[in-house]
Amino acid sequence: DTAVSQTPKYLVTQMGNDKSIKCEQNLGHDTMYWYKQDSKKFLKIMFSYNNKELIINETVPNRFSPKSPDKAHLNLHINSLELGDSAVYFCASSHTTGFGELFFGEGSRLTVL
Amino acid sequence: ELKVEQNPLFLSMQEGKNYTIYCNYSTTSDRLYWYRQDPGKSLESLFVLLSNGAVKQEGRLMASLDTKARLSTLHITAAVHDLSATYFCAANFGNEKLTFGTGTRLTIIP
Repeated sequence: DTAVSQTPKYLVTQMGNDKSIKCEQNLGHDTMYWYKQDSKKFLKIMFSYNNKELIINETVPNRFSPKSPDKAHLNLHINSLELGDSAVYFCASSHTTGFGELFFGEGSRLTVL
Repeated sequence: ELKVEQNPLFLSMQEGKNYTIYCNYSTTSDRLYWYRQDPGKSLESLFVLLSNGAVKQEGRLMASLDTKARLSTLHITAAVHDLSATYFCAANFGNEKLTFGTGTRLTIIP
């Protein structure tokens, strides 16, 4: 059983479209994250939710909207996609009473044409 | 500014050799993490270092933490090909998120 799973794994779309990425974790963690990894492999946090509540919202365009229906799920919706949104988006989870170690999903590679 | 810097960014080494990757961070951090990423894959947790002087070892990899120097190292002993990957360190600056370093792309040459 995959601990943190994301779908889809690959997305190829045109500029201006809207797309969503879904994430689910079965680790019983209470905190979930979205990270963006650019073409230079640099990882930057975008959002974090703790028990469905938004706790971190970095400087991200408001075209990006996360949603957490419950503590096991964190989805990312992106409106009006731009070329610069092309990246790998990683979902991760952790337990606040643990060591803060993140467990990552497999990543979703988004290509905007 | 909260920063985590790694060096080198790229490392090509021969099998059987030893080398060290360095991770410096800009301000007090109570936890330091090392991750491995294979090409096109997810990030796998290697080590969590929780206190000054902490040392952890797994196979040919050993990680250490010096909180006074704000430095962590990842030492590779007698490298083998399957250690080729990108290695990231990350620090927790007490702000409920991990800040990642730039990554070190390690290539082991036969």
